[in-house]
Amino acid sequence: AQKVTQAQTEISVVEKEDVTLDCVYETRDTTYYLFWYKQPPSGELVFLIRRNSFDEQNEISGRYSWNFQKSTSSFNFTITASQVVDSAVYFCALRGFQKLVFGTGTRLLVSP
Amino acid sequence: EAGVVQSPRYKIIEKKQPVAFWCNPISGHNTLYWYRQNLGQGPELLIRYENEEAVDDSQLPKDRFSAERLKGVDSTLKIQPAELGDSAVYLCASSLEDRREKLFFGSGTQLSVL
Repeated sequence: AQKVTQAQTEISVVEKEDVTLDCVYETRDTTYYLFWYKQPPSGELVFLIRRNSFDEQNEISGRYSWNFQKSTSSFNFTITASQVVDSAVYFCALRGFQKLVFGTGTRLLVSP
Repeated sequence: EAGVVQSPRYKIIEKKQPVAFWCNPISGHNTLYWYRQNLGQGPELLIRYENEEAVDDSQLPKDRFSAERLKGVDSTLKIQPAELGDSAVYLCASSLEDRREKLFFGSGTQLSVL
């Protein structure tokens, strides 16, 4: 069975602070893909990143960075110098050979 | 290029009434998904289509839910009759035919059953 756990329900930060969103996953598949999606108040989930299970290289895209550690089954997401526009619900997701499974999401509130 | 289009955006009905949601995926995307998102939860898959074929409908409550994707393009999700517990956001997504591929989501239909 596949499972994604996002233990942080809600995080509040002040603009310009760094924030890390945690994601822990479970799967028996040897090949799988991990994703992060952003859901702003408009409701539409927006793709942020995809990582396959054989690529543990961390990735940085502007203020966003992702830390994939297979040893701890974690795929954490860090926003550096957060901005108000980063306020949204962020979902981590996992797809092995079966369906794409989402975590319960972490709501990020960035205040001015 | 247009994204995934869903309608209606909001729907309010009384319990036991039927309701239908429509989705137009991104052109060229063979795979279409219907997800249900309850308040404070992540999306949960209801059904996945590869072209016209429903390849995963194991989570679809078949006693009251039905879906179709005629001609492998647009799709309709129906609930008949609706129950109070069906209140949720129904999301449609599409992707190219490969599990590596990212999903493109529509804005969803927010259903309220009174």
